[in-house]
Amino acid sequence: AQTVTQSQPEMSVQEAETVTLSCTYDTSESDYYLFWYKQPPSRQMILVIRQEAYKQQNATENRFSVNFQKAAKSFSLKISDSQLGDAAMYFCAYRPLYTNTGNQFYFGTGTSLTVIP
Amino acid sequence: DGGITQSPKYLFRKEGQNVTLSCEQNLNHDAMYWYRQDPGQGLRLIYYSQIVNDFQKGDIAEGYSVSREKKESFPLTVTSAQKNPTAFYLCASYGGGYQPQHFGDGTRLSIL
Repeated sequence: AQTVTQSQPEMSVQEAETVTLSCTYDTSESDYYLFWYKQPPSRQMILVIRQEAYKQQNATENRFSVNFQKAAKSFSLKISDSQLGDAAMYFCAYRPLYTNTGNQFYFGTGTSLTVIP
Repeated sequence: DGGITQSPKYLFRKEGQNVTLSCEQNLNHDAMYWYRQDPGQGLRLIYYSQIVNDFQKGDIAEGYSVSREKKESFPLTVTSAQKNPTAFYLCASYGGGYQPQHFGDGTRLSIL
């Protein structure tokens, strides 16, 4: 079974500080994609960052970066210089490159991030 | 701009009534999905479709039905058999490869 685990239901960070959200996944596949989505109170799902498993270099998008540890099956999200607008639910998602179950995406249960002014 | 349009934004269902949630995309994506989200929880897959006239059940398909007669459209019907339909419903599409899923703005369904 392919599962995605986010072990931190809630996190908080002081404005301008750095926070790391954790994500682990269970798979026997070697090729896959990983994503972090942000869901603010508006409930829109917004892509934050993505990573291809075959790339060793960690993805970076402005203040957002990941720590991808393939052997450990870990994909954590680091938010630097946290801003009030970063407050949201964050979901980690996984998609295998090759699958017999269609183009399914597997989501974690989410981490609710609070930013303290 | 290309995107996914879900309607209505809010929907109320009476007991014993079927209701249909609309999802339209102009991204030319083959794959489309319906997810259910309950308060404080993650996304649970209801149905997905990889191509026109074909769809598969997800993890919680009971009480729901879908159709995929056109590439652009993937409506979800919440039937009276779904005893706890109150939730937020998200539609998504996917164009293949390294692309992420694209999401609509969602429909909130409540029981009257």
